[in-house]
Amino acid sequence: DTEVTQTPKHLVMGMTNKKSLKCEQHMGHRAMYWYKQKAKKPPELMFVYSYEKLSINESVPSRFSPECPNSSLLNLHLHALQPEDSALYLCASSLKEELSAGKLFFGSGTQLSVL
Amino acid sequence: AQTVTQSQPEMSVQEAETVTLSCTYDTSESDYYLFWYKQPPSRQMILVIRQEAYKQQNATENRFSVNFQKAAKSFSLKISDSQLGDAAMYFCAQTRLYGGSQGNLIFGKGTKLSVKP
Repeated sequence: DTEVTQTPKHLVMGMTNKKSLKCEQHMGHRAMYWYKQKAKKPPELMFVYSYEKLSINESVPSRFSPECPNSSLLNLHLHALQPEDSALYLCASSLKEELSAGKLFFGSGTQLSVL
Repeated sequence: AQTVTQSQPEMSVQEAETVTLSCTYDTSESDYYLFWYKQPPSRQMILVIRQEAYKQQNATENRFSVNFQKAAKSFSLKISDSQLGDAAMYFCAQTRLYGGSQGNLIFGKGTKLSVKP
């Protein structure tokens, strides 16, 4: 299995809602990533988990809360989002953070719209 | 700071022809990786080709090859025998070779490639 699976594919939420994005991989990868991609822009790194521990937080607002319950699963909890948070959220994984050599496996993303 | 610049917002190629996408970068790192990632309408980012900066030989993957000019900090992608399935957004990217944060890809703004039948 060489896939990174993200659910849901699309999500519409209000500014007062709480929702979660889910990412799963079964390739034995020990590093997992959240990237944010605004329309017509390149992806930008949000968080990195290495061996289930938060390794990098790129100054992301606290309304985004990542969680890595185990080595196969990565969640992104969303609360009190703003319309400008509407974007494609991409999950990725790699063998190990320090040895990934940029070879990331990406999911197809969750397209989030905040109303 | 690491930066990646793609000066061609859009490119078009005839099916079976060859096209070259341009990329320049800047970095203070002595060792790094360079990449071309492809994002088709399915939105999934797919690694096309990777180049280690310490290797002088240009990387190739089937119909895809790069022209890596380290001194000029240039990293172009050549697609030969273009196919309809090559139509996508292509992102040039870089990351560090050593230390942590190798998964922190710094992307250019992308080049949208259209393939005409």
